[in-house]
Amino acid sequence: NAGVTQTPKFRVLKTGQSMTLLCAQDMNHEYMYWYRQDPGMGLRLIHYSVGEGTTAKGEVPDGYNVSRLKKQNFLLGLESAAPSQTSVYFCASSSGLGIYGYTFGSGTRLTVV
Amino acid sequence: LAKTTQPISMDSYEGQEVNITCSHNNIATNDYITWYQQFPSQGPRFIIQGYKTKVTNEVASLFIPADRKSSTLSLPRVSLSDTAVYYCLPYGGATNKLIFGTGTLLAVQP
Repeated sequence: NAGVTQTPKFRVLKTGQSMTLLCAQDMNHEYMYWYRQDPGMGLRLIHYSVGEGTTAKGEVPDGYNVSRLKKQNFLLGLESAAPSQTSVYFCASSSGLGIYGYTFGSGTRLTVV
Repeated sequence: LAKTTQPISMDSYEGQEVNITCSHNNIATNDYITWYQQFPSQGPRFIIQGYKTKVTNEVASLFIPADRKSSTLSLPRVSLSDTAVYYCLPYGGATNKLIFGTGTLLAVQP
C-alpha cells in the first residue's frame, strides 16, 4: 500500500549539475503530476501526464523536462540546475475520473548551491 | 480556471469549530470544489469534495450555497494536530489539473 513514492527525499546539487527525480505509483492511475513548492507559497504545477507516453506543460515548466515511459513512473529532469530551482518537489497521481482526489508523495527537498 | 480567495491565516483553540471560507466567483458549471490539507514537510492530502449543498465525511463538512460562488470547510472540535495549511481548489474533470493557491494556515493553540 505504498501509494506514491518519490526518490530521493533530499538532494544538494551544484549549479549546472543535472539530476532526475523519480516518482512511482502503484495505484494504476492514468494521470501524474509534478509540482514545486517554495516557502510561503502554494504548489505550482510544473508538468503533467495524462497517460503513458504523454506529457504536457504546467504553470512553470522552464528548466525542467519530464518523461512517462511506463504508466507507473513519472520522471522529472533538471538538465542544468540553478539556485532558483531550490524547492520542495511533489509528485501526485490521480485516476482522472473527476470525483476522486489526488494522491501526493512525501516530497523531494532539493537545494542548488 | 477559477481563481480562489481564502484568508491567509486563522487562529483557533482546541475543541472549537473552525470554518474556513473560500470564494470562487467564476467557478465553472462542471467544477467540483475540493479541499486539501497539508502538514509541514508532507504532500497535500485530500479532505473533502462537493458540488453543491452539504457534504460530510469523518473529517469535515463542506457547505456550498446555491450560487456556488463560495464554499466553507467546517472542522468540528479541532485539535493541535489540525494545525496545517488548507487549500480550496475548484476541480474540473475535463482539465484534470489541480491549481493551488496559497491556502489558509490554520494554527490551533492549546
